Amino acid sequence: NAGVTQTPKFQVLKTGQSMTLQCAQDMNHEYMSWYRQDPGMGLRLIHYSVGAGITDQGEVPNGYNVSRSTTEDFPLRLLSAAPSQTSVYFCASSYSGTGVEKLFFGSGTQLSVL
Amino acid sequence: DQQVKQNSPSLSVQEGRISILNCDYTNSMFDYFLWYKKYPAEGPTFLISISSIKDKNEDGRFTVFLNKSAKHLSLHIVPSQPGDSAVYFCAAENQGGKLIFGQGTELSVKP
Repeated sequence: NAGVTQTPKFQVLKTGQSMTLQCAQDMNHEYMSWYRQDPGMGLRLIHYSVGAGITDQGEVPNGYNVSRSTTEDFPLRLLSAAPSQTSVYFCASSYSGTGVEKLFFGSGTQLSVL
Repeated sequence: DQQVKQNSPSLSVQEGRISILNCDYTNSMFDYFLWYKKYPAEGPTFLISISSIKDKNEDGRFTVFLNKSAKHLSLHIVPSQPGDSAVYFCAAENQGGKLIFGQGTELSVKP
């Protein structure tokens, strides 16, 4: 009964380093997405996928890449980390991706870029 | 431009009293609204939702009211309990089916 699993929970990077945030879900959901949470800004959509092999940009996609090779996994890549990417990142999934289908969130990754 | 706004960053309520969390939106085309609850170090979890064809939806101690003419929704928690202390996000579904979230309101329920 894992739901949406994110790793790591915490990460500290130096400016310019790269890393991948992992996300996996075991609910056979077609839709997966990445959000970032910043103080005073709420949750903002970075990238999303409506199925394996299909990805699209959200509200704040710059500096991030995604791919979806399987239904279960949706990694988020930071190619060259910047201090502005310091945030808490949440992965979420749902069956179809519409608001009517409620999103299930992972527990988050707290990222600090120095 | 924030399309979904929660103008109160925090709210403190006494146990047993009513908690009222407010949310305003700017796009009259939004037709589905949700509330999520978030505890520290956890992801948000779905709490309650409402369609624009309704003006009220109730689930136990939680009731969401929608005023379309004012583009305003509110979440009422009655009675409030210490375990309700969390950050509450309202969200609206846009025309593309994606959720637009507000900034969140941190509720503290004092024993």
